[in-house]
Amino acid sequence: GENVEQHPSTLSVQEGDSAVIKCTYSDSASNYFPWYKQELGKRPQLIIDIRSNVGEKKDQRIAVTLNKTAKHFSLHITETQPEDSAVYFCAASPGFQKLVFGTGTRLLVSP
Amino acid sequence: SAVISQKPSRDICQRGTSLTIQCQVDSQVTMMFWYRQQPGQSLTLIATANQGSEATYESGFVIDKFPISRPNLTFSTLTVSNMSPEDSSIYLCSVGINREQYFGPGTRLTVT
Repeated sequence: GENVEQHPSTLSVQEGDSAVIKCTYSDSASNYFPWYKQELGKRPQLIIDIRSNVGEKKDQRIAVTLNKTAKHFSLHITETQPEDSAVYFCAASPGFQKLVFGTGTRLLVSP
Repeated sequence: SAVISQKPSRDICQRGTSLTIQCQVDSQVTMMFWYRQQPGQSLTLIATANQGSEATYESGFVIDKFPISRPNLTFSTLTVSNMSPEDSSIYLCSVGINREQYFGPGTRLTVT
């Protein structure tokens, strides 16, 4: 079955810096890749997603890139702010709308 | 998206007992899912619950332990049966809308 690896497990940046989180997946049939942000004690929130027919997608300060050949995708956050501090999860969908999640990245943005 | 609620929000249960978690959505959805998130960990899919059919369980999860009902397009329940301390976790339902998944607030279960 699908396996998703996520790196780094923790990431500390200064406010205003950029942050990049990377994920790799194993199942070439996966064709949908969402990213979730989870604040402490809250539910995961969908922040951006990308489908396999697209190489890059942007939404204000966040962007996601997808390399289908290498089976990896990345989340880029620019001009980070303290409120970006949270745990971020990538996921891959191998079909039937199932999601297989990565292990998560704890992002800490220091003022 | 959708407005998703879960009940209870948290519970403390004794080992050997069962707890049923409810998930309610404000619109009709075909796909509903149940996940488990152990403390400090990622999300693991337990099963997919489609209305009118048996739930489809992921490897490592069985119907006897986690029976699921899906009586209509806005509601589902997950029961955690014969609980042990290892079942202490957050249980989340989610709904699939146009390939996107949205999560309920979760049920924090502690088994003593």
